[in-house]
Amino acid sequence: QQQVKQSPQSLIVQKGGISIINCAYENTAFDYFPWYQQFPGKGPALLIAIRPDVSEKKEGRFTISFNKSAKQFSLHIMDSQPGDSATYFCAASKADYKLSFGAGTTVTVRA
Amino acid sequence: NAGVMQNPRHLVRRRGQEARLRCSPMKGHSHVYWYRQLPEEGLKFMVYLQKENIIDESGMPKERFSAEFPKEGPSILRIQQVVRGDSAAYFCASSPSSVRANYGYTFGSGTRLTVV
Repeated sequence: QQQVKQSPQSLIVQKGGISIINCAYENTAFDYFPWYQQFPGKGPALLIAIRPDVSEKKEGRFTISFNKSAKQFSLHIMDSQPGDSATYFCAASKADYKLSFGAGTTVTVRA
Repeated sequence: NAGVMQNPRHLVRRRGQEARLRCSPMKGHSHVYWYRQLPEEGLKFMVYLQKENIIDESGMPKERFSAEFPKEGPSILRIQQVVRGDSAAYFCASSPSSVRANYGYTFGSGTRLTVV
């Protein structure tokens, strides 16, 4: 079964707008929560990651918000640009080498 | 410094044929991981290998799938007697060690397998 549930499946945002993608997990043993960005025909590339001892992490226009009690985390893309159009995956792992991925969100930024 | 190299990029096989997917890890990386991405789904872990050893194959289908990482050469994911349901993108990742390897994952561009 899907260990990490991701929504929405797709979203369209105007240039300069905010894109928000949400993920939820059940396994409380997860302790590492990365987000990956994937362009068509390419492999996923690590975008930003967070650990559960931090409630928010920001890198440039990308911010992860983490709610440990609700077992949810989200990615915010501020000032969305056409170059941000891609598929975004949340993921989670325990203290090992396996990543459990969400199903992905296709983001389209309209100029 | 080349990244993780996968070939071929696209592979078309007829039902019942064999598919061989190759992955060359980044220089200095001796740990390789294979993931499969079905259409409209996220990546799912298949197998973790070190040189000449399979460490964890818990995500591999029990039949028709095998993986190896020989002392010399690339890692190979082999699918025998392919069926339409095997159509997917197969990604390889590598890391320099196994300690919190997911911190250091680098994925290749994948092999897109189409079974006709």
